[in-house]
Amino acid sequence: QKEVEQNSGPLSVPEGAIASLNCTYSDRGSQSFFWYRQYSGKSPELIMSIYSNGDKEDGRFTAQLNKASQYVSLLIRDSQPSDSATYLCAVTERAGGSYIPTFGRGTSLIVHP
Amino acid sequence: KAGVTQTPRYLIKTRGQQVTLSCSPISGHRSVSWYQQTPGQGLQFLFEYFSETQRNKGNFPGRFSGRQFSNSRSEMNVSTLELGDSALYLCASSSLPGQGADSPLHFGNGTRLTVT
Repeated sequence: QKEVEQNSGPLSVPEGAIASLNCTYSDRGSQSFFWYRQYSGKSPELIMSIYSNGDKEDGRFTAQLNKASQYVSLLIRDSQPSDSATYLCAVTERAGGSYIPTFGRGTSLIVHP
Repeated sequence: KAGVTQTPRYLIKTRGQQVTLSCSPISGHRSVSWYQQTPGQGLQFLFEYFSETQRNKGNFPGRFSGRQFSNSRSEMNVSTLELGDSALYLCASSSLPGQGADSPLHFGNGTRLTVT
C-alpha cells in the first residue's frame, strides 16, 4: 500500500513568515512530486511540481525533494492570509503506460494577520 | 480556454440507488481521471481514461465504473449506493496519460454526492 504522509495541522503562521509544509512517501519508485493548494469548498490547483533532487523555486514557493530520504517539502515565503488553504502533496508512479498519483490527506495552513 | 466542467454540482440519493456523474475535460485534453475526496480518506484515485480506454483503476469495488466517449467527455457511475459513498467526486483532465512531467492535472469543481 503506497502511502503519502502529511501532518494534518493546522499549521498557523503569522503574515510575512515562512510556512514549511512536509510530506513523506513510501514508494521508492515514485517519479514525480506535486503540491496542490485547495481552498475550502474548491477543487485542488497545482502550484508546484518537482522531479529531481534539490530545490525548485517559483516566486514565493520553493519545493524541495530528497529521494534518498523519501521526503518532499514546500516552503512559502512572505506568507499571506490568501495562502490559507489545505496543501496536498501528490506522488506519482508510472503504471500501465500512465502515471498514477497518490495524494496525502493534506496540511491545513492558516496565515494570520 | 474553458476549464474542466463537472455536472451536476450536487446530488442527493438514497441507499441502493445508482448515480451517473459527468465530466467534460479541457479542450484538447484526452486524459480524464476521477477521484473521491472524503475527510477521512483524503483524495483517492478511482480510475483514468485516455482515448476511450481505461488505463488504470484504483482500489475501489466494482460498483464504481466509468467510461470515456470519443469527444473525451467522461462519465462515472456508482451502482447500489452506500452511505459511505457520500463524498466529493473530482474529475481531472490532462493532455497526456496521467500526471506526468509535462502533463499536470486540471481539476473540475467536483460533484458533491450525499447518500441518505
